[in-house]
Formats: sequence, C-alpha cells, structure tokens
Amino acid sequence: AQSVTQPDIHITVSEGASLELRCNYSYGATPYLFWYVQSPGQGLQLLLKYFSGDTLVQGIKGFEAEFKRSQSSFNLRKPSVHWSDAAEYFCAVHTGTASKLTFGTGTRLQVTL
Amino acid sequence: KAGVTQTPRYLIKTRGQQVTLSCSPISGHRSVSWYQQTPGQGLQFLFEYFSETQRNKGNFPGRFSGRQFSNSRSEMNVSTLELGDSALYLCASSFLRGLDYGYTFGSGTRLTVV
Repeated sequence: AQSVTQPDIHITVSEGASLELRCNYSYGATPYLFWYVQSPGQGLQLLLKYFSGDTLVQGIKGFEAEFKRSQSSFNLRKPSVHWSDAAEYFCAVHTGTASKLTFGTGTRLQVTL
Repeated sequence: KAGVTQTPRYLIKTRGQQVTLSCSPISGHRSVSWYQQTPGQGLQFLFEYFSETQRNKGNFPGRFSGRQFSNSRSEMNVSTLELGDSALYLCASSFLRGLDYGYTFGSGTRLTVV
C-alpha cells in the first residue's frame, strides 16, 4: 500500500527566509502527488500537484515542488516566506488503483517576524 | 464556479446520538469522498462515491455510512456517536481526468461529541 512520510512535524522560519518541506512517498509506480495547506479550523487548499512531465511544478502563493523519482520525494519550497504562510502543510499521494488520497502527517509551519 | 459546500460547519452532539453531514460538490464533479481529521490519527479516508455508488471504503466501523444522490450531493451518517468521533470531517469533490485532475476540499464540519 502507498504511504507518505513528512519527517518534520514542526518547522520555524523567519519571515523572508527560504523554506523547504520534505515529503517522501512509497509506491511502486509514479504516483499523483499533491501539496495542500490548511489554516486552523479550515479545509485543505491545493497548492500544487504533479502527474507527469516537468519534475519542477509551480503552484499558488509562490510555492514550487520538485519530484525526484530516485529519492521518492516531492519536497515543497518557497524562496521567501511571508508571515501569512504560517499554517499546516500536507503532502498527499493518489494512485490510480483507488480513488482516494493518502496523506502524510503534516508539517506545521511557524513564521517569526 | 462555486466550491465545495459542507453543512453544517459546526455540530455538538451527545454520545449515542446520530448525525448526518452534507456535502455539495463542484458542479460537474461526480466523485465525492469523505475524510476524518483528528489530532491523533491525522487525515483518514472514510469512503468515496461516484455516480451514487460507493467505490471505495476506508477502515472505519459500520457506524459510519454515506450515500450520494443523483445530483452528486453526498451525505455521511454516523450512528451511535462515541467521544472518539469528535473530529473535523472533510468532503472532497474530485475530477479524475485530464488537466483538472484533482481533489477540491470543502471547509469541513467540526463535530464535537460530548
């Protein structure tokens, strides 16, 4: 069965600093990969997704992610973090065999001013 | 187009009661799935409906059930509520073809069981 690992439970960065959130997946073939962001008490907002093609994908709010097949990773990056980016970030994988998402445990991002 | 609408936003129920949550997907989306989010277990898949048929089910007890109507709106029902059912329940509307492939989530229903 597929699984997703987000090794960092909590990350603190200063406003203006760069950010990288890690995501590793376990699946035999190339999965469909997603990054979502969740503000407290809210639903999940899609930041970006990868299916195939260019391994560097651009998303909303200045985020990007790079798919690395050799490392089974799909890390999320942002060159300069804003205070409003403070939230919880979830990496998820979808495989064609089941119409569902498998989520990582999430990374809570705190931004200091 | 309008997003995914979940009602109600908040619910407080007593142990042993039952509850019904509603989800209206994005127009044209025929797949609706439900997820439970708790601090301890994270985001867990409950079930998915497509064209009024349950296609996939997660590992939850039979107290959790759902259905989908001909207009793609979906409801989930939890009977004999337990304290551990307190969670944020998220509905996702999905389109699984082409460039629009993906899942769009509603704002969720926060269920508190007392």
